[in-house]
Amino acid sequence: SAVISQKPSRDICQRGTSLTIQCQVDSQVTMMFWYRQQPGQSLTLIATANQGSEATYESGFVIDKFPISRPNLTFSTLTVSNMSPEDSSIYLCSVEDGWSPNEQFFGPGTRLTVL
Amino acid sequence: KQEVTQIPAALSVPEGENLVLNCSFTDSAIYNLQWFRQDPGKGLTSLLLIQSSQREQTSGRLNASLDKSSGRSTLYIAASQPGDSATYLCAPTYSGAGSYQLTFGKGTKLSVIP
Repeated sequence: SAVISQKPSRDICQRGTSLTIQCQVDSQVTMMFWYRQQPGQSLTLIATANQGSEATYESGFVIDKFPISRPNLTFSTLTVSNMSPEDSSIYLCSVEDGWSPNEQFFGPGTRLTVL
Repeated sequence: KQEVTQIPAALSVPEGENLVLNCSFTDSAIYNLQWFRQDPGKGLTSLLLIQSSQREQTSGRLNASLDKSSGRSTLYIAASQPGDSATYLCAPTYSGAGSYQLTFGKGTKLSVIP
């Protein structure tokens, strides 16, 4: 399976600032996804990161708040903009591995705390 | 909207016991179903993937079953060990906007007592 890394692993940020999270995969993958896990909750899909085009956002998530880049088949970034304490969550990226179609593998996550 | 329910929400067992975790989903039109484990503050580890055409999938001490028509899946863990302590998440996959999307339950938090 693909090996996925995320940076930073955790961060503490001030209200009103922005944080960019990086996701790096050790092989080329077609599909990359970004999820949010709020405290005590399960995972919610934010968006699908498309290479060469705009991300596809799920209901309740907008590009101005969560801009996503996907410059190539091994890398993506998620920015959390104008943060508030409600944005405190674990943010995870995942990929579909071409060796096992439609099976998703997850990165280690980024734990964000907004003060 | 698809809903995924996992029962029980938490489970504590002595080491060595066999146990069953339950998952139910409201929309049976799934493409496949994945079981994950999540350790505290960490990412997800994929345990098993069951295709919609399959009834069972096994990996070591883990066995997952799928009854698509009734909207249920179970994860059986044999001879539990303290290292199995984690939260177990069930996620059926549905066809979405140009991709296949996972819908997650809230998980079952398992504690295996030495």
